[in-house]
Amino acid sequence: TQLLEQSPQFLSIQEGENLTVYCNSSSVFSSLQWYRQEPGEGPVLLVTVVTGGEVKKLKRLTFQFGDARKDSSLHITAAQPGDTGLYLCAVFNTDKLIFGTGTRLQVFP
Amino acid sequence: NAGVTQTPKFRVLKTGQSMTLLCAQDMNHEYMYWYRQDPGMGLRLIHYSVGEGTTAKGEVPDGYNVSRLKKQNFLLGLESAAPSQTSVYFCASRSRGSNYGYTFGSGTRLTVV
Repeated sequence: TQLLEQSPQFLSIQEGENLTVYCNSSSVFSSLQWYRQEPGEGPVLLVTVVTGGEVKKLKRLTFQFGDARKDSSLHITAAQPGDTGLYLCAVFNTDKLIFGTGTRLQVFP
Repeated sequence: NAGVTQTPKFRVLKTGQSMTLLCAQDMNHEYMYWYRQDPGMGLRLIHYSVGEGTTAKGEVPDGYNVSRLKKQNFLLGLESAAPSQTSVYFCASRSRGSNYGYTFGSGTRLTVV
């Protein structure tokens, strides 16, 4: 059983569309992180959310931590081809991160 | 700043051969990690270290060994490679303290034939 369930697994959209990806769990977390991984590279940290209900914005990306701190969402406004990649959520378990299996996003021009 | 550097970037091994993957970080991070990434399986933790001279097992440690003799380096060894170890291997590091994110290397693509 996966601790973090991400949906959808795959998403193909046209440039300019909006999208939301989700990270869900039955467990409560003190914080949650989102990473983006481009082809041939390692994941890069986008944001850390800590407080239930917290919303953080990073340009066209909006991250929300659920009120109960069990889930999170990532919304991208007016997607661009440069947003293409694998989006991973992750939570700390003692000293180490546990990752979800990711949402693979493809944005076509 | 180099960040986290992994060598080699690509390698092909024959079944039964051994090799060592090197991870080096120049950020004075205390914690270092080795993950493998396989299609549909996500990133799975192999071994990790919370400081120089210490190592611990992760989720999938069998068939791998690690050493952290110096704070900046974390070595991953395969004593007798198997086709099931074909994967992309990522090293990461982070500072001590809650909520610090990982800095990842760019990965090593290993194929065992």
